[in-house]
Amino acid sequence: GQNIDQPTEMTATEGAIVQINCTYQTSGFNGLFWYQQHAGEAPTFLSYNVLDGLEEKGRFSSFLSRSKGYSYLLLKELQMKDSASYLCAVLDSNYQLIWGAGTKLIIKP
Amino acid sequence: TAGITQAPTSQILAAGRSMTLRCTQDMRHNAMYWYRQDLGLGLRLIHYSNTAGTTGKGEVPDGYSVSRANTDDFPLTLASAVPSQTSVYFCASRQTGPTDTQYFGPGTRLTVL
Repeated sequence: GQNIDQPTEMTATEGAIVQINCTYQTSGFNGLFWYQQHAGEAPTFLSYNVLDGLEEKGRFSSFLSRSKGYSYLLLKELQMKDSASYLCAVLDSNYQLIWGAGTKLIIKP
Repeated sequence: TAGITQAPTSQILAAGRSMTLRCTQDMRHNAMYWYRQDLGLGLRLIHYSNTAGTTGKGEVPDGYSVSRANTDDFPLTLASAVPSQTSVYFCASRQTGPTDTQYFGPGTRLTVL
């Protein structure tokens, strides 16, 4: 079966760095997405990785290792507004997105 | 640009009643999706449409139906609502291309009593 695992909840301090991990087992792979979802709102696109390596976009970076079925989202210089859920999703061989349950990130002052 | 709109924003529905959740996009995306999101379970695909005139079943299609008469609209119908269909429903559309990014509507919060 297809499976995406990520931690349920993480806590970090304002100004610090946090890494949210995601491991996946899917039928085929056509890319991995990270989305941010604030409470009561829709998910919004953060990043896309299809090749191994690190993609940097401002304070956010996303890493992919296809051989290990592993990705992480790195958030630097955390701000209170970064408190949200972060969703990992894999585009499978049928070009359908398989979603993880999300990681709730709590930022403390 | 409006992007994706959904209606209603929220609804309380009596069990056994029918209801249609509306979704309209103005981005001319070929693919559209309906998800439900429940606490602790993440997003689950109900139905999808890769192009106007075609639809397919997702992970949790039972109790729901969809139609795709044109590119812009993708309504979701609950023929006879049950309490287990209480959820937040998100419509999404996909930009085909190198990243295949999905964009989401604001969601409809449905409570079935």
